[in-house]
Amino acid sequence: GENVEQHPSTLSVQEGDSAVIKCTYSDSASNYFPWYKQELGKRPQLIIDIRSNVGEKKDQRIAVTLNKTAKHFSLHITETQPEDSAVYFCAASRNNQGGKLIFGQGTELSVKP
Amino acid sequence: GAVVSQHPSWVICKSGTSVKIECRSLDFQATTMFWYRQFPKQSLMLMATSNEGSKATYEQGVEKDKFLINHASLTLSTLTVTSAHPEDSSFYICSAGRQGREVIQYFGAGTRLSVL
Repeated sequence: GENVEQHPSTLSVQEGDSAVIKCTYSDSASNYFPWYKQELGKRPQLIIDIRSNVGEKKDQRIAVTLNKTAKHFSLHITETQPEDSAVYFCAASRNNQGGKLIFGQGTELSVKP
Repeated sequence: GAVVSQHPSWVICKSGTSVKIECRSLDFQATTMFWYRQFPKQSLMLMATSNEGSKATYEQGVEKDKFLINHASLTLSTLTVTSAHPEDSSFYICSAGRQGREVIQYFGAGTRLSVL
């Protein structure tokens, strides 16, 4: 079945360093890839997304890259801050599934001051 | 925009009782609503997908008679955990899908269910 693999499961960085989280997907028909940030005990919040016709998208300190051929996409956070500490989830979906998302396992990011 | 309200945020109940959780999209009409269960330090596990006015589509392994979903309008979906048992204790999160170029899911704040 459809699957999204996410790595690493935990990531610890020093404040100011960059963080990279990687995901691979199995369904070649996937065409939409959102990233969600979930702080402890709170709701997942959409932080950035990318469509399959784009290779890279940037929003301030956050960027996402997509390699359709290899079926993988990555989240890049630069100049990390303690408030970036959270669990990050990647996901994949395709148009004809009504928005159903296949989530990765999550990455717990810890930014140490 | 894209605000999703979920109530209650926390509920404690006795074993054998039923619990209803509401999910509302406050400022948009949701084409589809999704119900998830999340265990500590784990990912979101999709339980079911619901569309207004039709029966919910349940994921494999999810008991539809145990987890009743009603989607009465484009802004309201409810999940009822029937005859709850301690193993049903979990964090339940809903999301509402807003149609654009694709359907984007916006999440509720979640409901922590504790069954005694």
